[in-house]
Amino acid sequence: DQQVKQNSPSLSVQEGRISILNCDYTNSMFDYFLWYKKYPAEGPTFLISISSIKDKNEDGRFTVFLNKSAKHLSLHIVPSQPGDSAVYFCAASRETGGTSYGKLTFGQGTILTVHP
Amino acid sequence: EPEVTQTPSHQVTQMGQEVILRCVPISNHLYFYWYRQILGQKVEFLVSFYNNEISEKSEIFDDQFSVERPDGSNFTLKIRSTKLEDSAMYFCASSDKGTGELFFGEGSRLTVL
Repeated sequence: DQQVKQNSPSLSVQEGRISILNCDYTNSMFDYFLWYKKYPAEGPTFLISISSIKDKNEDGRFTVFLNKSAKHLSLHIVPSQPGDSAVYFCAASRETGGTSYGKLTFGQGTILTVHP
Repeated sequence: EPEVTQTPSHQVTQMGQEVILRCVPISNHLYFYWYRQILGQKVEFLVSFYNNEISEKSEIFDDQFSVERPDGSNFTLKIRSTKLEDSAMYFCASSDKGTGELFFGEGSRLTVL
């Protein structure tokens, strides 16, 4: 199932710089996109989301950009902090009758390491 | 802060045995989910549960799997006869809005020998 792809398995960034994590999707039916963060031995934690009617959503240091024509989204973290070191998953969804948007299709994840 | 709790954190079982994984979702949430992650693979959707019934399930969720909300607080996943390929981390999640902003538990690692 390659409907959601994160092509970079890992990313290393210096503290204070920008981290850019990328994600591509193939299913044009997806209309809701999310980023989750995961620390070892914990479950994924919701970070930020964006609806397909928008091209940008911002929450503090985190901004998600959506390019529908390219079927591409990205997560920008500015400035990056050592505590941001984790696995970042992008996920996509579409409305379905019973679950609404809860059936998520995940990417493989990108390991972000922020060096002090 | 409210959280989703899962038990056990790790279970080892023999192939063919029944396993029940338990979850306590956040108390005012209405949507409940099970996801799993096989080592080295993606997190994948198994099943969703809303209004006391399954609302959607994936191809993985075959007749060997079942879910139940036996009381007002617990949400369980049962695997009737485990196979080696069921070895994975199983995540329970819940949501109050059905928006995809899910609250995940820490996971239950299942090892089938």
